[in-house]
Amino acid sequence: GAVVSQHPSRVICKSGTSVKIECRSLDFQATTMFWYRQFPKQSLMLMATSNEGSKATYEQGVEKDKFLINHASLTLSTLTVTSAHPEDSSFYICSARLAGRANTGELFFGEGSRLTVL
Amino acid sequence: AQRVTQPEKLLSVFKGAPVELKCNYSYSGSPELFWYVQYSRQRLQLLLRHISRESIKGFTADLNKGETSFHLKKPFAQEEDSAMYYCALSGSNFGNEKLTFGTGTRLTIIP
Repeated sequence: GAVVSQHPSRVICKSGTSVKIECRSLDFQATTMFWYRQFPKQSLMLMATSNEGSKATYEQGVEKDKFLINHASLTLSTLTVTSAHPEDSSFYICSARLAGRANTGELFFGEGSRLTVL
Repeated sequence: AQRVTQPEKLLSVFKGAPVELKCNYSYSGSPELFWYVQYSRQRLQLLLRHISRESIKGFTADLNKGETSFHLKKPFAQEEDSAMYYCALSGSNFGNEKLTFGTGTRLTIIP
């Protein structure tokens, strides 16, 4: 099946710094990627839809200036948490669908990135 | 707005007993329903989708539009079924629409 890889898997940073998380589709092209956030023992909350070559679509309540998303190529989307604070500590997961006719609706997930802000 | 409800956070079942994980949804259009599973220390992966009407690892799920439900069932639980299960919903144009997840049910199979 299609593989989605995230990097880094774990990151610890100081409050006020920015952190970038990468999401790559390794063996397929993804015109659309999705970024989720998961709090402990809770469900996945969709943060934004990342569209290749255009601006991301953010869900209500998600700060665009705080969570910068860039989807510069068909295989890479990045999430940058700017001026991170302890409340941004969470598990961030990206996912992607196959593009075009290969799309069956199935989402392929990355392994997730755990962010801890001190 | 679309919403998925999984009423059970935790479910424990003895090995060999039947399993049913409940899922109800709210959506104004024609939905596409999915079940995703997350085994220990692994990433989320698709278990099954209603449009394919297939049985995966012995699990089946029937979309009941009258009751707006998509319960996941398996007649005989196995220990390897212990995992976190998420029900998810997308609009019929699933190529471009977001997937909304329920809160998940942690299934534990008792040996």
